[in-house]
Amino acid sequence: KAGVTQTPRYLIKTRGQQVTLSCSPISGHRSVSWYQQTPGQGLQFLFEYFSETQRNKGNFPGRFSGRQFSNSRSEMNVSTLELGDSALYLCASSGGTHTEAFFGQGTRLTVV
Amino acid sequence: AQSVTQLGSHVSVSEGALVLLRCNYSSSVPPYLFWYVQYPNQGLQLLLKYTSAATLVKGINGFEAEFKKSETSFHLTKPSAHMSDAAEYFCAVSEPNFGNEKLTFGTGTRLTIIP
Repeated sequence: KAGVTQTPRYLIKTRGQQVTLSCSPISGHRSVSWYQQTPGQGLQFLFEYFSETQRNKGNFPGRFSGRQFSNSRSEMNVSTLELGDSALYLCASSGGTHTEAFFGQGTRLTVV
Repeated sequence: AQSVTQLGSHVSVSEGALVLLRCNYSSSVPPYLFWYVQYPNQGLQLLLKYTSAATLVKGINGFEAEFKKSETSFHLTKPSAHMSDAAEYFCAVSEPNFGNEKLTFGTGTRLTIIP
């Protein structure tokens, strides 16, 4: 079956702009989590959605937001981009409590 | 709060030698523990997980890890390194609460295999 799909794979944006990243989970998975990966901070949890509701949230500013649709696809949005938002954004889906989280290949965001 | 410490940001071993990547955790409750591998420009792939069943966990690609509660450790080992094992490895912890899928990751260990 198809894995977790993230689009786009690469993105270049200018400071102050906003960006929307998309994640399609594995069919049947209702939990979608987002992580930010940077060389300095490593892998950090952004938020998790389950059945269209945000269930957990990490320590990121309100510029970072997300949503989940009825088909479990998820989007995350970053407004007023800063240079420090340059990172690999990873999406993971899982099918139940503490079952394996399957990761997508990520979206590489570069803010210039 | 839970946390993970990975000792050694870079580890180099010769092909055919033992691989040992260290992970220590801190958690207020017995945790679930995971090892993930990341190849360049790729996402994360699960190698193995501990969920309070057997303390010695076998994973993919010949890797295994042992949960030691007294040492709060979950070190990853492989008896014989292969060139294809070169990658970055992450240890992660989650609290076994229903409705909490958050993973807390260590800072990663980059494994280099010397021919």
